[in-house]
Parts: sequence; C-alpha cells; structure tokens
Amino acid sequence: NAGVTQTPKFQVLKTGQSMTLQCAQDMNHEYMSWYRQDPGMGLRLIHYSVGAGITDQGEVPNGYNVSRSTTEDFPLRLLSAAPSQTSVYFCASSARQDFPPDTQYFGPGTRLTVL
Amino acid sequence: AQSVTQLDSQVPVFEEAPVELRCNYSSSVSVYLFWYVQYPNQGLQLLLKYLSGSTLVKGINGFEAEFNKSQTSFHLRKPSVHISDTAEYFCAVASFKAAGNKLTFGGGTRVLVKP
Repeated sequence: NAGVTQTPKFQVLKTGQSMTLQCAQDMNHEYMSWYRQDPGMGLRLIHYSVGAGITDQGEVPNGYNVSRSTTEDFPLRLLSAAPSQTSVYFCASSARQDFPPDTQYFGPGTRLTVL
Repeated sequence: AQSVTQLDSQVPVFEEAPVELRCNYSSSVSVYLFWYVQYPNQGLQLLLKYLSGSTLVKGINGFEAEFNKSQTSFHLRKPSVHISDTAEYFCAVASFKAAGNKLTFGGGTRVLVKP
C-alpha cells in the first residue's frame, strides 16, 4: 500500500491563479480530510468527506473547494490564490467516521507559496 | 466548540533526559484525545490515543500520556529521549458529538534533543 499520496510536493503560485492539490489513498478509507498547517496554529480542518459524493466544510473553508467522485481521490481546489493561503497542506484518511474515531493517516504534505 | 492548548511552543532537552509535553483542552462534551508526531519534512504520525478505559496510555517509541478529566489535560511523557525524538508534537481532540473524525489540533510543541 502506498497509503496517502499527495501531489505536488511544492508549488508556487501568483495571486489570482487557480490550482488543484491532489490527494489519493489506496486503503479504501471512507473518511478523507484536508488540513492546512501554519506556524503556531497547528493544523486546521479545511474540508472533509465521509464518503464518495459527500463533502462538508471544516473550520477554514473559505477560498477552497472540494469534491469526492471516487473513494480513492479527494482533490482540493484553490479558486483564486491569495497570499494568505501560503501554507503546508495535508490530506488525511481514516477507515470510518463513526465512534470511536479511527486513526487518521496523513500524506506527506504540499508546501504552497502564493506570491 | 472545543479547543486545545499546548503550553510550550518549544522544549529543548538533553539526550537521555526525561521530557513532558503539556496539553490542555476545553470541550463541553466528552472527547477522544490524540498525540501526533511530525518529523522534519514529513506528514503526521499517530503516537498514541485515548478513547476510553485506562487513563494511562502507552504509545510507540516509548511515549506515554495520561488523561486527567478533572484537569482537562493529556500530557505526553518520555522517560529518556533520543536524538531521533527531535520533532514537532501535536495534541488533538475529537468530540463525541462531532460528525466524522474531525480533529482539533493544538499549536504544536517543537522538541529539540541536544547531545
């Protein structure tokens, strides 16, 4: 198993550009989520999905879109990049979304810089 | 709403010395508690978790944590650290009433182990 994979590893954008961060998992996990990591703030949840076709907003969803057409993939789209979106982005997945919560497995991250 | 406070942003420690990383949380409902570790330039990896039962939880790499409900704390300890423990450590909570596995993270504690 490759686990959770993310592409690209690094990206530089100009303000106003759009892009998609890719996330895929090969563990047949139902639950997938996107976090952003900023210094001193830990990780904050952007969007999450409890299964194909179902997504919901997390703590900081503004400026980001997601969709979940398959169990494996959960891309994150930046519609019009802003410098405030400079961050490290992590995708995570877990086997189920009920209680108690299952362990979340994290990808290696995408470091995004918006100029 | 729930929140997590990690009281120390950085903890320098000498090799073979003990270390304690402090974590306090606030929540109006019962929670599940987690500690994750992030080694340099990597994603997050689960160290240990408290779901129920014994309040002393043992994790990987010799770490343990104690859940104290009355003090709303979940401090992480290791009796003797190694250079390889240099990393950033994150405390996180998931609420019993939250949909899915949404985690709320603390700001992180950076541990630097010195020879």
